[in-house]
Amino acid sequence: DTGVSQDPRHKITKRGQNVTFRCDPISEHNRLYWYRQTLGQGPEFLTYFQNEAQLEKSRLLSDRFSAERPKGSFSTLEIQRTEQGDSAMYLCASSPADRATYEQYFGPGTRLTVT
Amino acid sequence: GENVEQHPSTLSVQEGDSAVIKCTYSDSASNYFPWYKQELGKRPQLIIDIRSNVGEKKDQRIAVTLNKTAKHFSLHITETQPEDSAVYFCAASNWVGGSARQLTFGSGTQLTVLP
Repeated sequence: DTGVSQDPRHKITKRGQNVTFRCDPISEHNRLYWYRQTLGQGPEFLTYFQNEAQLEKSRLLSDRFSAERPKGSFSTLEIQRTEQGDSAMYLCASSPADRATYEQYFGPGTRLTVT
Repeated sequence: GENVEQHPSTLSVQEGDSAVIKCTYSDSASNYFPWYKQELGKRPQLIIDIRSNVGEKKDQRIAVTLNKTAKHFSLHITETQPEDSAVYFCAASNWVGGSARQLTFGSGTQLTVLP
């Protein structure tokens, strides 16, 4: 499968614990996005990387959230001191460097449940 | 920031009939409008997109129209089939000089095609 992959697919954690998710974009895609999707809603933008540089961050990304893409390939999203309101599907998407290609390819998501 | 409104939230049609989903956007600078289909428990997948330099685009049974003046765009599905049943999301983005920007999504439309 050469699509975007995410790990883990499901995560159940207790309130106050830290969690980390991983996203592997499509090979050679230099743009990587994180979105959060709650039940019955469309994805909401969290942050965006071009190569290893984090270029945009949403106001939704509180101080408890941090994202990295150290070598411009895979990315990690960490949530510290999780809260029940963090329960959601966390989606990663990638897009190629080609300026003519606007499409974002989504991964299967990581479903986080905070108990 | 951009705000995208989508309606209806649910739509039921008989197999073979047409379905229309409408979205409005607020930021006149938005110039890219994709539509994603998301089946239950699966990743969003792009089904069609349109850029602001055209008013209509068609791909087999699916078409999208864009009215920049009114700031609205619509998805049209003809000859609907049961496998078209899914949640459909519209989105808007502003691409400037090849610089990727976040997608702002609508809240989704649950389409049910009745056999």
